[in-house]
Amino acid sequence: DGGITQSPKYLFRKEGQNVTLSCEQNLNHDAMYWYRQDPGQGLRLIYYSQIVNDFQKGDIAEGYSVSREKKESFPLTVTSAQKNPTAFYLCASSYRGRDTEAFFGQGTRLTVV
Amino acid sequence: GDSVTQMEGPVTLSEEAFLTINCTYTATGYPSLFWYVQYPGEGLQLLLKATKADDKGSNKGFEATYRKETTSFHLEKGSVQVSDSAVYFCALSERAGNNRKLIWGLGTSLAVNP
Repeated sequence: DGGITQSPKYLFRKEGQNVTLSCEQNLNHDAMYWYRQDPGQGLRLIYYSQIVNDFQKGDIAEGYSVSREKKESFPLTVTSAQKNPTAFYLCASSYRGRDTEAFFGQGTRLTVV
Repeated sequence: GDSVTQMEGPVTLSEEAFLTINCTYTATGYPSLFWYVQYPGEGLQLLLKATKADDKGSNKGFEATYRKETTSFHLEKGSVQVSDSAVYFCALSERAGNNRKLIWGLGTSLAVNP
């Protein structure tokens, strides 16, 4: 079955450590997105990529980094520079057409301890 | 710039009540409009969409009509169930050159009591 997979579902990190969240899709989508979700703040765009080997900063990119070496994969690294990393992280993918829906993973809940 | 505004929640209803969640948008071009639903602890999933003016999207008893004259895409359901309790997001999608923009509302939480 086609879909988009995020792992792990829950992640704990000590302060000062970098951590990488995985996102893989087998939908043959060109575009992939990372969002952060905090209570009452909706979805905030961290990074997005419309094509392999290219990506752009979203609204809250500081303290995060990404890579897009393969069409199927768009990992997100939360670095120690991110001041408040505890949040729910969502990965999504879509075709690049205006009318097509975005598909979401199940999310990763990151907690800094 | 483009934006999406949803009514604030939480919305609390009794089972079988009528639901309306308001959504209005501003856009420079001709966007597609979407409603997504998020159940607790999960990702978002598409509920319905409309790609041009006067289109009506529908799914699982939910409906929304793309109203260009009022720049609105209100979500409605005639009789809600406890299982409809979730957060609902309105979104618009537009092409910007070779890229696609997705703009999200803040979400509206719905709680349905038995």
